Amino acid sequence: GDSVTQTEGQVALSEEDFLTIHCNYSASGYPTLFWYVQYPGEGPQLLFRASRDKEKGSSRGFEATYDKGTTSFHLRKASVQESDSAVYYCALNTGANTGKLTFGHGTILRVHP
Amino acid sequence: DAAVTQKPRYLIKMKGQEAEMKCIPEKGHTAVFWYQQKQSKELKFLIYFQNQQPLDQIDMVKERFSAVCPSSSLCSLGIRTCEAEDSALYLCSSSPTSNTEVFFGKGTRLTVV
Repeated sequence: GDSVTQTEGQVALSEEDFLTIHCNYSASGYPTLFWYVQYPGEGPQLLFRASRDKEKGSSRGFEATYDKGTTSFHLRKASVQESDSAVYYCALNTGANTGKLTFGHGTILRVHP
Repeated sequence: DAAVTQKPRYLIKMKGQEAEMKCIPEKGHTAVFWYQQKQSKELKFLIYFQNQQPLDQIDMVKERFSAVCPSSSLCSLGIRTCEAEDSALYLCSSSPTSNTEVFFGKGTRLTVV
């Protein structure tokens, strides 16, 4: 079945540090890839998505590029802020039904001032 | 911002009791999804409704849960006999159609004691 692997379970950074969260996937067909962010007490919110090889998604300074060759969709941000502290999820969908998502285990990001 | 409403926010049940949680999808949304999230980590797809009809669900839901959408403005997810392993955050999401962005509610946190 489809699966998403996020390498980092937790990441601790200082403000203005560079962020990378690694996401690799395994899927039948040609998946759409997503990054979601979840703040305490909230449901996940879509950061952005990408549907084609080499497509870059971006939002709020975060970005990721769909790489079919390496089956990856790594999340990056050049300069994190304390307000970016949250849980980040990589997810995929392989059908026309974009609401049925396969999520990774999530990465807890803590940014210290 | 989209507003998917879930009630109650918190639910405590004893083992063996029945539990019920409700979801009010965003107005006009025809696709509704339920997810289970344990320990603030991976989200697990449970069931999908399109125009109030269940179109996809995992075996656990068929065996132990009851899920209905009696109207376009209300869905519910029930557990017939709660077990300790059911303790989790249950998230509802909806989207205008099955192939557009989904929006999540804040969830119902179920604790089984």
